[in-house]
Amino acid sequence: AQSVSQHNHHVILSEAASLELGCNYSYGGTVNLFWYVQYPGQHLQLLLKYFSGDPLVKGIKGFEAEFIKSKFSFNLRKPSVQWSDTAEYFCAVNADSASKLTFGTGTRLQVTL
Amino acid sequence: EAGVAQSPRYKIIEKRQSVAFWCNPISGHATLYWYQQILGQGPKLLIQFQNNGVVDDSQLPKDRFSAERLKGVDSTLKIQPAKLEDSAVYLCASSVGPSGRNIQYFGAGTRLSVL
Repeated sequence: AQSVSQHNHHVILSEAASLELGCNYSYGGTVNLFWYVQYPGQHLQLLLKYFSGDPLVKGIKGFEAEFIKSKFSFNLRKPSVQWSDTAEYFCAVNADSASKLTFGTGTRLQVTL
Repeated sequence: EAGVAQSPRYKIIEKRQSVAFWCNPISGHATLYWYQQILGQGPKLLIQFQNNGVVDDSQLPKDRFSAERLKGVDSTLKIQPAKLEDSAVYLCASSVGPSGRNIQYFGAGTRLSVL
């Protein structure tokens, strides 16, 4: 069975600080990896995804993530956060053969002015 | 393009009562998912439909939960009877197809409180 671990449950940063959120997964086969974001009062929306190829993927709003296969990791990064990045971030994984998503527990990011 | 529509947004019931949630996916999306998100946890898949057939319901508590997608478009999820531990947000999502590379689009969810 797949599982996803997000070790940072609540992160507080000042504007302009750099961000890195950890995500580790366990699954023996080929996986697809996703980061979803949920802004306050809004629905879950896709931030970025990795299927294959270049392990460094770029998403919306300046976010990027790096897939490191040997570490089973897919960490999310942003060089300089803004107050508007305050949200909950979920890492998710599925097998290439099936679309069922397995989510991590989420990281609540709070950006202060 | 309209997104995934869910109703109601909020529902408060007492334990042992029944409740139903409705979802209208993005037009043309053949695959529909219901997830349960308990406070402090990530969403967990309850059931996946491909058109009007069930693909995966392995984590659906079938003694109390049921779901249908009769015409392959709208779907309803029902709980009968509800328990306190069913308090959660119920998310509906849809995708073009069942491939792992098809993006899932989520609705705003229904927040259920069981008292």
